[in-house]
Amino acid sequence: DAGVIQSPRHEVTEMGQEVTLRCKPISGHNSLFWYRQTMMRGLELLIYFNNNVPIDDSGMPEDRFSAKMPNASFSTLKIQPSEPRDSAVYFCASSLHSNSPLHFGNGTRLTVT
Amino acid sequence: RKEVEQDPGPFNVPEGATVAFNCTYSNSASQSFFWYRQDCRKEPKLLMSVYSSGNEDGRFTAQLNRASQYISLLIRDSKLSDSATYLCAVIQGNEKLTFGTGTRLTIIP
Repeated sequence: DAGVIQSPRHEVTEMGQEVTLRCKPISGHNSLFWYRQTMMRGLELLIYFNNNVPIDDSGMPEDRFSAKMPNASFSTLKIQPSEPRDSAVYFCASSLHSNSPLHFGNGTRLTVT
Repeated sequence: RKEVEQDPGPFNVPEGATVAFNCTYSNSASQSFFWYRQDCRKEPKLLMSVYSSGNEDGRFTAQLNRASQYISLLIRDSKLSDSATYLCAVIQGNEKLTFGTGTRLTIIP
């Protein structure tokens, strides 16, 4: 079975550029989560969706961050404009239901210079 | 107080020893609990769910103490391959899975 698929695996960009991270959840999973991981702050929940609807975006750090889930098989996380402090590993995860264990993608390692 | 707290370690343990980690959570209404394992530069992977009565999976035992609001993970007969970061995760009644910062474990030959 295909797991959660994220792209790109690595992204290096200059400050001020737009960055778009992509995620395909496991087929049949109803919940999708975006997390950010840094050494200093660990895994932080940015936003999650149930049945394609954003439920809680209180973890999104600023208006520069936005996320969409246009259908059950695709989600994007966009940063515009990017800043060096956005450098982190961004994980997408999906679960069957909101209280089920999460299955993580491989992550996107973002470096903003 | 953080919602979910763990001792970051590192724990350096000789092969074959038993090691235990605790994780405390702040919200008494928390309803679901998990342990994840994360290898260096990899994604977190579910190790085991934690049930109210405690549960065991091979060398791994997970327990929940609701009165004191903590969960624990015990690893018996530790192997070199157990070296990783162990993350506890708690669903705090609002469907959000909140992670601790992780405990780094190194098994020494």
